[in-house]
Amino acid sequence: AQKVTQAQTEISVVEKEDVTLDCVYETRDTTYYLFWYKQPPSGELVFLIRRNSFDEQNEISGRYSWNFQKSTSSFNFTITASQVVDSAVYFCALSVSNFGNEKLTFGTGTRLTIIP
Amino acid sequence: ETGVTQSPTHLIKTRGQQVTLRCSSQSGHNTVSWYQQALGQGPQFIFQYYREEENGRGNFPPRFSGLQFPNYSSELNVNALELDDSALYLCASSPAGGREKLFFGSGTQLSVL
Repeated sequence: AQKVTQAQTEISVVEKEDVTLDCVYETRDTTYYLFWYKQPPSGELVFLIRRNSFDEQNEISGRYSWNFQKSTSSFNFTITASQVVDSAVYFCALSVSNFGNEKLTFGTGTRLTIIP
Repeated sequence: ETGVTQSPTHLIKTRGQQVTLRCSSQSGHNTVSWYQQALGQGPQFIFQYYREEENGRGNFPPRFSGLQFPNYSSELNVNALELDDSALYLCASSPAGGREKLFFGSGTQLSVL
């Protein structure tokens, strides 16, 4: 069975500070996909990133960066120079399906509040 | 905005009733997934439809059922509603057999009294 743990329930930081959201996953499969989604108050889940288990390169996209470490089963997400618009609930998710976007197992989410 | 639309946005039902939720997938997307998100929790996979056939199911009882139509829109039906069915129901679509990322709608908030 798959499991995703987001130990940080809520985080508050002052605008322009950096913040890291932690994600630890469990799976016995050797091929899997990891995701981060953002859920603003409107409710829809906004896709941020997908990585497969064979690609451990860290990725940077603007103010966002992701650190994937198979040795510790972690896929952490860092926002640099946070902005008020970053306030949302962030979910980490795992899929072991063939296509990598079926049967996502989500963590319980981290509510991020950016204080102006 | 993803192009995935769900209706209704909010719904109130009483225990024992039946409910149908609807989802229009983004143009060109032939795969639709449904997720249940209880308050303060992450979404949980209910099932997925690909080309009108169920293509995987999560740990939900048979009273949760679905349909996908030729235009790839989808319905989620829940019979014999229970109080614990109160949740945000999210629909997600993806193109070409599901190899791409999921695009989520804004969900239907169901309250069971």
